[in-house]
Amino acid sequence: AQSVTQPDIHITVSEGASLELRCNYSYGATPYLFWYVQSPGQGLQLLLKYFSGDTLVQGIKGFEAEFKRSQSSFNLRKPSVHWSDAAEYFCAVGLYNNNDMRFGAGTRLTVKP
Amino acid sequence: DGGITQSPKYLFRKEGQNVTLSCEQNLNHDAMYWYRQDPGQGLRLIYYSQIVNDFQKGDIAEGYSVSREKKESFPLTVTSAQKNPTAFYLCASSILGHDSNQPQHFGDGTRLSIL
Repeated sequence: AQSVTQPDIHITVSEGASLELRCNYSYGATPYLFWYVQSPGQGLQLLLKYFSGDTLVQGIKGFEAEFKRSQSSFNLRKPSVHWSDAAEYFCAVGLYNNNDMRFGAGTRLTVKP
Repeated sequence: DGGITQSPKYLFRKEGQNVTLSCEQNLNHDAMYWYRQDPGQGLRLIYYSQIVNDFQKGDIAEGYSVSREKKESFPLTVTSAQKNPTAFYLCASSILGHDSNQPQHFGDGTRLSIL
């Protein structure tokens, strides 16, 4: 069965520092990959998605993610973190059907002044 | 503006009571979903529906029920059989992709607590 792992439960970075959030998936074929962000008490907002083609995907709010098939990873990156980026981030893996989407447990990002 | 509206934002349930969470979308999406979110566990699928008058159980359907009488609406009932209902409930919708998995759009959630 497909699954997604976010190894880091909580990450703290200083404002202006670079950020990388890890995501590993388990699936026999190339999955559809997503990153979502959730602010406290809110729903999830799509940051970016990977379906096929260029393995480096650009998203909103200055985020990007790179699909690495050999490592079964889809890590999220941002060159310079802003205080407003503090939130919880979820990686998700999808199959052919919308109902077969699996979410990671999330990584909570804290941004230090 | 198109989007998904969940109501109420906060809901309290008494012992033995059924409660219904509302989810309405004006995105003209065919598929709708209900997730339960608990701290440290990510999102778990309760029910989903791809077409009016049809829905399927997700991973944790026990103690929950849904209906899909209209394309725009997908209410979730938390029944008294759900012994641990305290959680954050998220509704989502998406278009149905025949050759790719489409992103899901989420509402702002309903937080359910036990009195």
